[in-house]
Amino acid sequence: QKEVEQNSGPLSVPEGAIASLNCTYSDRGSQSFFWYRQYSGKSPELIMSIYSNGDKEDGRFTAQLNKASQYVSLLIRDSQPSDSATYLCAATHTGTASKLTFGTGTRLQVTL
Amino acid sequence: NAGVTQTPKFRILKIGQSMTLQCAQDMNHNYMYWYRQDPGMGLKLIYYSVGAGITDKGEVPNGYNVSRSTTEDFPLRLELAAPSQTSVYFCASSYLRGEYNEQFFGPGTRLTVL
Repeated sequence: QKEVEQNSGPLSVPEGAIASLNCTYSDRGSQSFFWYRQYSGKSPELIMSIYSNGDKEDGRFTAQLNKASQYVSLLIRDSQPSDSATYLCAATHTGTASKLTFGTGTRLQVTL
Repeated sequence: NAGVTQTPKFRILKIGQSMTLQCAQDMNHNYMYWYRQDPGMGLKLIYYSVGAGITDKGEVPNGYNVSRSTTEDFPLRLELAAPSQTSVYFCASSYLRGEYNEQFFGPGTRLTVL
């Protein structure tokens, strides 16, 4: 059973702080990883993809990947109330990128 | 581009009824997917398609059927609806190239079976 694990939260951070969201995966052969943001009652929206070990930055978002530790994280700098949402981590399967396994998501609350 | 569109947005079915959830994309993506999302749970893959005429089962295919006659459309058929199929259904599409599989989601269909 391929699994992607996330802490369900809620993770509460004050406005302007850095939010750190974590994800672990069990399939050692996973090659590609994705972070989706999902507002309540809405569909998932892709915000970051990462394929290589290390950091990838896009605006206020940084994705970090450590394949040896089977660990992916998402940092959100200068958190805003509009960042309050559930963040889903997803990983491809060994040998095929055609399917993703999603975690259950971490709910982030950015407080004023 | 409209992206991925889904109809209907909401539907209430009685036990034993059937219906088709529609999904279309205008991005010329080769891959299309159907997921269901239950409260507090992650997305579960129902079926997916690698191109017109080719479909395959996902993690939770029982009680569903799909077809893909064109690149653009990927309808999901529910036969003999059951309360366990109450969920939010999302369609997604992607242009798979090697390891690159960035999936884009439609707005979802909220289905209740009573």
